[in-house]
Amino acid sequence: AQSVTQLGSHVSVSEGALVLLRCNYSSSVPPYLFWYVQYPNQGLQLLLKYTTGATLVKGINGFEAEFKKSETSFHLTKPSAHMSDAAEYFCAVRSPNFGNEKLTFGTGTRLTIIP
Amino acid sequence: DGGITQSPKYLFRKEGQNVTLSCEQNLNHDAMYWYRQDPGQGLRLIYYSQIVNDFQKGDIAEGYSVSREKKESFPLTVTSAQKNPTAFYLCASSMYGSSYNEQFFGPGTRLTVL
Repeated sequence: AQSVTQLGSHVSVSEGALVLLRCNYSSSVPPYLFWYVQYPNQGLQLLLKYTTGATLVKGINGFEAEFKKSETSFHLTKPSAHMSDAAEYFCAVRSPNFGNEKLTFGTGTRLTIIP
Repeated sequence: DGGITQSPKYLFRKEGQNVTLSCEQNLNHDAMYWYRQDPGQGLRLIYYSQIVNDFQKGDIAEGYSVSREKKESFPLTVTSAQKNPTAFYLCASSMYGSSYNEQFFGPGTRLTVL
C-alpha cells in the first residue's frame, strides 16, 4: 500500500520569500510522484512529476521538486513566492507497475502569500 | 481544445434523491476516475474505469454508482444510500498503460444536500 504525508496543512510565506511544501511518501517500490495545484473551486492542474531519471524536476510557474529516495521525500520549492501562487497544493504517488495507475493523494497544503 | 468537462458546476439535492454528475472528455483517454474532495481530507477515489464497459470500486464506493458505455463519458450517480454526499466531486482521465501518464482533471461539481 502507498501513502503520502504532507506536513503542514497551512503554510504562509511573504511575497518574494522561499516556498517550501513538504511531501513524504511510503511505498514498497520507488514510486512515481506528482505535485498538483488547485485554485479555489477549480480542478487540479499538474505542476510537475517524477517518474525516472533526474531526481530534480522542474515544473511550471517556477516550481521544482527533488526526489530523495533515502528520505522518502519529494518536497516542492520555489525560490521567490508570488501572489498568484496562493492556492492548495497536493502531492500524489502511484505505483510504477503497468496496470496499477491509481493515484494516492496527500491531504493538501494551503499556501497563503503575505504581501 | 481538448479537455474534460463536468456538469453541472453546482448541484443541489434533496435528501432521498439520486443525482447524476456528468463527466465527458475529448482527450481520447482510456482511463477515467471519480474523486470526492472534502476539506482537510484531500482527494479520495470513488470509482475508476480503465476501458469501456469495465470499472472498479475505489476507496469510498458505497452509495455511488457509475457506468462506462462510451470512451468519452463516465457519469457518476450519487444515490440516496450515500449518507453524507455534500462535497466537491472531481473527474479525471489519463492514458491507460503509459508509464508516464498523469491524470488530467475537470473543473469539478459541487454537490450540496438540502
